[in-house]
Amino acid sequence: DAGVIQSPRHEVTEMGQEVTLRCKPISGHDYLFWYRQTMMRGLELLIYFNNNVPIDDSGMPEDRFSAKMPNASFSTLKIQPSEPRDSAVYFCASSSYRGSNQPQHFGDGTRLSIL
Amino acid sequence: SQQGEEDPQALSIQEGENATMNCSYKTSINNLQWYRQNSGRGLVHLILIRSNEREKHSGRLRVTLDTSKKSSSLLITASRAADTASYFCATDADDYKLSFGAGTTVTVRA
Repeated sequence: DAGVIQSPRHEVTEMGQEVTLRCKPISGHDYLFWYRQTMMRGLELLIYFNNNVPIDDSGMPEDRFSAKMPNASFSTLKIQPSEPRDSAVYFCASSSYRGSNQPQHFGDGTRLSIL
Repeated sequence: SQQGEEDPQALSIQEGENATMNCSYKTSINNLQWYRQNSGRGLVHLILIRSNEREKHSGRLRVTLDTSKKSSSLLITASRAADTASYFCATDADDYKLSFGAGTTVTVRA
C-alpha cells in the first residue's frame, strides 16, 4: 500500500502567484480531507470530500482557496492569489469514514512558503 | 475550535523511561484516537479507543479513557530515541469531523 501521496513536498513562491497542491488518496477510501497545520492554529480541517463530492468546506479560510476532486484517485487544493499568511504545511488525509471510528491516513504534507 | 487539549505541551525523558501525556476534551465523544507526528512527516495513527472502552494496549503503548472526567492518557513504556515526536489526540463531536489537539512534543534523550 503506497499510502497517501502529496506533491510537491515543498513549494516556495511569491505573493500573488497561484499555488496548486496535489493529493492521491489510498485506493478504496471514500473520504478525503485537506488540513492546514501552523504553529499558531495547530491542525485545521479545511474541507472534506465523500465519493469525490465536497461535503463540508466551512474550514476554507477565504474565496482564494478552492479544492476539487475530479476522480477517486486525485484531489487538488488551489490558492489564488497566494498571500504570506497562507504559509503553512498542508496535509491531505484519506479514510473509509468521516468520523472517529476509523483512522485517517495522512500524507507527508506540502510545506508552503509564500514570500 | 479544538475539542481535545494535550498536557503537557512538551516532555523530555531519558531513553528507557516511560512517558505519559494526557488529553482532555469538552463534549461527549464516540471515540478517541491518538496520532504521532515525526518531524517533517505526516500524522500516523497509533490507537483508537471507543467510548465504552476504558483501556487499550498496542505494543509499548497504553491508552486509557475516562469519559466521566472527559480525559484520556497515552503511556509509552520503555521509550526509545525513535519515540521522539509530537503526539496528538483527536476526537469527534456531533458533526463527526475529527478535531485534533495542539499536541505534546516528546523528546527522548539517549
